[in-house]
Amino acid sequence: DAGVTQSPTHLIKTRGQQVTLRCSPKSGHDTVSWYQQALGQGPQFIFQYYEEEERQRGNFPDRFSGHQFPNYSSELNVNALLLGDSALYLCASSLGMGQGNQPQHFGDGTRLSIL
Amino acid sequence: QKEVEQDPGPLSVPEGAIVSLNCTYSNSAFQYFMWYRQYSRKGPELLMYTYSSGNKEDGRFTAQVDKSSKYISLFIRDSQPSDSATYLCAIWLSSGSARQLTFGSGTQLTVLP
Repeated sequence: DAGVTQSPTHLIKTRGQQVTLRCSPKSGHDTVSWYQQALGQGPQFIFQYYEEEERQRGNFPDRFSGHQFPNYSSELNVNALLLGDSALYLCASSLGMGQGNQPQHFGDGTRLSIL
Repeated sequence: QKEVEQDPGPLSVPEGAIVSLNCTYSNSAFQYFMWYRQYSRKGPELLMYTYSSGNKEDGRFTAQVDKSSKYISLFIRDSQPSDSATYLCAIWLSSGSARQLTFGSGTQLTVLP
């Protein structure tokens, strides 16, 4: 049973560039959430996708956008990269949007470095 | 004030010790309480999940929730070097239209052989 998979594992970009990160949810899951984890900090919620729509959003600017495909996989796009965007980006999947009693399962993340 | 505050650590204990990890939260709308373990260069792994006040045990791990004090704890008995990791408390918020998982900042644990 494949868990949550993310690609790529590492990425190096320069300021001002754009980046796309990808996530495939755990088999049977239909909801994908994205988190940003700075070094030494806990994950911060970016947004959640369910039925191909953004359903919840954390306190992140519009430079952060996403998409969910019919097969439930998802992309996170970040435009106009800033040095402060350097972080581990985590994808989590779960069953059923907005259901706290369905725990989220995480991938190993994409480590993004901005030069 | 952060919505979820976690004892920052780092914490270093000898093998076999009992470990106590703690978080406090401020929002009474928090409903579900989780503990995740994160090894270096890996994603968080769900350890424990609970809804109600009281204790929940799973092997060497016990999760404790006190909703009246807004306090949650994770106890690890007979700690092993393989328990060395960062432990994250996470709480599910469902209030009005807001539904999201909020994490503490993590406690780094080292269990010395």
